[in-house]
Amino acid sequence: TQLLEQSPQFLSIQEGENLTVYCNSSSVFSSLQWYRQEPGEGPVLLVTVVTGGEVKKLKRLTFQFGDARKDSSLHITAAQPGDTGLYLCAGSDSGNTPLVFGKGTRLSVIA
Amino acid sequence: DSGVTQTPKHLITATGQRVTLRCSPRSGDLSVYWYQQSLDQGLQFLIQYYNGEERAKGNILERFSAQQFPDLHSELNLSSLELGDSALYFCASSVTQGLGSPLHFGNGTRLTVT
Repeated sequence: TQLLEQSPQFLSIQEGENLTVYCNSSSVFSSLQWYRQEPGEGPVLLVTVVTGGEVKKLKRLTFQFGDARKDSSLHITAAQPGDTGLYLCAGSDSGNTPLVFGKGTRLSVIA
Repeated sequence: DSGVTQTPKHLITATGQRVTLRCSPRSGDLSVYWYQQSLDQGLQFLIQYYNGEERAKGNILERFSAQQFPDLHSELNLSSLELGDSALYFCASSVTQGLGSPLHFGNGTRLTVT
């Protein structure tokens, strides 16, 4: 069974700080996705990474897929209160297995 | 707005009862997925339908069943409810049938079993 471990589980920071959250597995994934979920809403897709070593940027968010395609990180620069939410990573080892989700990192950015 | 509509938003019912959760996928999406989210287990895949046919099954209990109708909306039926079934139930949709496809989630149905 594929497992995705996310760390830290909780993170509370001040506005303007930088942070990195991690998504790790012992399994190789063909692709990995990051979602953000806010209270009372469903997860919203942020990015999909498919190539080992790939780096994608979305404004102040930088996503990296590990060279071995077993891990990923999300770095946020100058965090803002609007970044508050549950960040979930999800991976699939092929098109024939369902997405496996990590339990998420719950981020709180305090103004 | 993801374009995925789920009803009802909240559902409170008693143990032993049966409920039906409804989902309308995003326009043009043929795949519908059901996930259960609880605090301790995170998001767990239950089942996927593609264009009316069951495509994949995850950790779905025998007391639970689902279907996708010709108009592509889907229903998740939960029966003989237990306290442990209390959770958020999400529907998601995608254009393709590939299980690793990026998903568009609805806002969920919060089920409380008392």
